[in-house]
Amino acid sequence: GQNIDQPTEMTATEGAIVQINCTYQTSGFNGLFWYQQHAGEAPTFLSYNVLDGLEEKGRFSSFLSRSKGYSYLLLKELQMKDSASYLCAVKDSNYQLIWGAGTKLIIKP
Amino acid sequence: GAVVSQHPSWVICKSGTSVKIECRSLDFQATTMFWYRQFPKQSLMLMATSNEGSKATYEQGVEKDKFLINHASLTLSTLTVTSAHPEDSSFYICSARDEIAGETGELFFGEGSRLTVL
Repeated sequence: GQNIDQPTEMTATEGAIVQINCTYQTSGFNGLFWYQQHAGEAPTFLSYNVLDGLEEKGRFSSFLSRSKGYSYLLLKELQMKDSASYLCAVKDSNYQLIWGAGTKLIIKP
Repeated sequence: GAVVSQHPSWVICKSGTSVKIECRSLDFQATTMFWYRQFPKQSLMLMATSNEGSKATYEQGVEKDKFLINHASLTLSTLTVTSAHPEDSSFYICSARDEIAGETGELFFGEGSRLTVL
């Protein structure tokens, strides 16, 4: 079966750095997405990786290793507004999006 | 980025009634739209893929006669929850992909519709 694993919840301090990991086992791979979802709101796109390596976008970076079936989202200079759920999703060989359960990130002052 | 608008944002209805939720792509055409359901503290669950001009493709376990999907134009898909019951109370979210401009295939999400069935 297809599976996306990410931690259920993480806590970090304002101004610090946090890394949210995602491992996947899917039938084929056509890209990995990270989305941010604030409580009661729809997800918003953060990043897309299809090749191995690090993609940096401001305070957020996303890394992919296809051979290891592994990705992480790195958030720097954490702000209180970064408190949200972070969803990892993989596009499989049929171009279907397989979603992880999400990681709830709690930022403390 | 592209904009997807969903309406209504909140709806409360009595058990046994039907509720229609609209999803519009405002600045692009979407031959395919996706409908998700999300229960509290859970991830998105794909319910169905809405295809313009043809029947929707439902995920396993989703009743097509209960969740009616219509995709009559390239910018509008509707989800109708028929004979709603309290267990249908959930957050329903639609999404679409800008297939022309969206090289990554990123999904653009509507604002979501929170349904509460009394």
